[in-house]
Amino acid sequence: SSELTQDPAVSVALGQTVRITCQGDSLRSYYASWYQQKPGQAPVLVIYGKNNRPSGIPDRFSGSSSGNTASLTITGAQAEDEADYYCNSRDSSGNLDVVFGGGTKLTVL
Amino acid sequence: QVQLQQWGAGLLKPSETLSLTCAVYGGSFSGYYWSWIRQPPGKGLEWIGEINHSGSTNYNPSLKSRVTISVDTSKNQFSLKLSSVTAADTAVYYCARGLVGATIWKTYYYYYMDVWGKGTTVTVSS
Repeated sequence: SSELTQDPAVSVALGQTVRITCQGDSLRSYYASWYQQKPGQAPVLVIYGKNNRPSGIPDRFSGSSSGNTASLTITGAQAEDEADYYCNSRDSSGNLDVVFGGGTKLTVL
Repeated sequence: QVQLQQWGAGLLKPSETLSLTCAVYGGSFSGYYWSWIRQPPGKGLEWIGEINHSGSTNYNPSLKSRVTISVDTSKNQFSLKLSSVTAADTAVYYCARGLVGATIWKTYYYYYMDVWGKGTTVTVSS
């Protein structure tokens, strides 16, 4: 089955811009979706499709894609953005299994 | 606003069967994929499987032999059974609603889970 690879940890200074990446063969066919998870809480969808934000998600969150790599960008990171971030798509190889990246722990300094 | 409410036993002994149910409130049951996802303590998200309103299922190959997901459309509910549990099945289990689609020329597809349950902590211990 397809895999999605994320960096385990990323840090950003308060107010700066950070990019979290996700790599996988399925991303050549599927846009990644991105989820934010804070300790003790369920994941929350922050980006889906080409670059869409659900209602209530700040516009400092954006998504992009190139080849087999998807990126989540936070422009002007806030303290409340400190969380784990997961990418997600379907396996494009035929069985259509749902796959998650291993997650990236974002620290806001 | 769609909400998912989940419930089930939180403490199991090894070899028992895990059983969880997720109810969908405030929205349509058809046209979506209904998934179960789990998260072991301190680890990432693992997809368990999904079902649509007509009962078609798709399971994670690593769990397929032990997993059954079923649907009761009359109650807008779907359920998870995981047999022969071990300590490795200890996790927070989530239900979620999934959507799949494609761009107009089907040059690209998208899949995302937009509504999640709050999670149920399941511990397997003798």
